[in-house]
Amino acid sequence: GAGVSQSPSNKVTEKGKDVELRCDPISGHTALYWYRQSLGQGLEFLIYFQGNSAPDKSGLPSDRFSAERTGGSVSTLTIQRTQQEDSAVYLCASSLDSFNTDTQYFGPGTRLTVL
Amino acid sequence: GDSVTQMEGPVTLSEEAFLTINCTYTATGYPSLFWYVQYPGEGLQLLLKATKADDKGSNKGFEATYRKETTSFHLEKGSVQVSDSAVYFCALSDLNSGTYKYIFGTGTRLKVLA
Repeated sequence: GAGVSQSPSNKVTEKGKDVELRCDPISGHTALYWYRQSLGQGLEFLIYFQGNSAPDKSGLPSDRFSAERTGGSVSTLTIQRTQQEDSAVYLCASSLDSFNTDTQYFGPGTRLTVL
Repeated sequence: GDSVTQMEGPVTLSEEAFLTINCTYTATGYPSLFWYVQYPGEGLQLLLKATKADDKGSNKGFEATYRKETTSFHLEKGSVQVSDSAVYFCALSDLNSGTYKYIFGTGTRLKVLA
């Protein structure tokens, strides 16, 4: 597709369950970012990939959060043993590369609700 | 660390009014500055950007000038429309932080009344 896509668009889960969120970046974009948008915290950075490696994981809030990227394309953000405070909109963005200050293009987000 | 401070909302204006949304930043290096807009039910869209001091970004009638001396990047529009109702986010990107991750402001909700 032409833009960044994310799936699912909405996810409702029970506390303690694991969830996987998927991001498909724009074709050819080597840099990929995950952010979280929540009422209490605003928009916060989680993790950044350049290719398949993650040089910056500093925003992951706990070891229950992990992410991977394969083939330099699709990325999956996994949250284990979800808690109610994990409820938020998870945004993915991609940019052409991370070596220049390039514009990031955002996906529509996945709204996660933990009951 | 780097940070972005944005004026609190919501901002309510009548159609054709002048808009200013203030944004100031703190950064150790020379960041690039961005304004993103989030329309109801939609994702973040780049509105405009500036990459160095005194640059002016502009798009759809919106403008913002990168002011290094005042560390500001205020968003302005001369005449707002109902369709401009959205949440506006100021952001910076600074390689000195280690990556080009964005640091966002808290967002300012704009409501334009007909």
